Amino acid sequence: DSGVTQTPKHLITATGQRVTLRCSPRSGDLSVYWYQQSLDQGLQFLIQYYNGEERAKGNILERFSAQQFPDLHSELNLSSLELGDSALYFCASSVGQVLHFGSGTRLTVV
Amino acid sequence: AQSVAQPEDQVNVAEGNPLTVKCTYSVSGNPYLFWYVQYPNRGLQFLLKYITGDNLVKGSYGFEAEFNKSQTSFHLKKPSALVSDSALYFCAVRDSGGNTPLVFGKGTRLSVIA
Repeated sequence: DSGVTQTPKHLITATGQRVTLRCSPRSGDLSVYWYQQSLDQGLQFLIQYYNGEERAKGNILERFSAQQFPDLHSELNLSSLELGDSALYFCASSVGQVLHFGSGTRLTVV
Repeated sequence: AQSVAQPEDQVNVAEGNPLTVKCTYSVSGNPYLFWYVQYPNRGLQFLLKYITGDNLVKGSYGFEAEFNKSQTSFHLKKPSALVSDSALYFCAVRDSGGNTPLVFGKGTRLSVIA
């Protein structure tokens, strides 16, 4: 168990809808990262937060947004969902160089 | 920009034989290098890292990796493979300078055959 908790584990939703994925980092970790894993694109970095502030942005679509709250948990919001958004979404947290990953949220858009 | 290449999508090895999973990287500065393993329906688990110091890094479950600066490689090795090592292995790199994100390779599926 990495100590990073992601909910829900599975999500099935229709095209055009909006969903929120939640991540609780390991106790004491200030950084939270979001990654998307798909079969064709591999593991893609989306966004990083550090102690509530956006720190780095990767290949995150404008339809996607994230935030980190004062208690350090983070949410990834995905809107106007398309079939191609179906993927595994991972959250990771760190206090040093090593990222510790949650077990992911599998999103299926139908 | 930083990048990672894992040239083999799949590696097959017999149980008890040594295994190697290859990784090459590209960064503008000095690299921080990592290996992660992913089992089915699980998140990525950290195996080992190279930050600085000895080029041979030892990690979890008997794995090790050798940092080769001239060849920009960081191959993962294990002297004797187990069936339970079968999984998806990811190499990752980030530049030591600045706040750059960790970039992952596309992964290599290791299959250890009994």
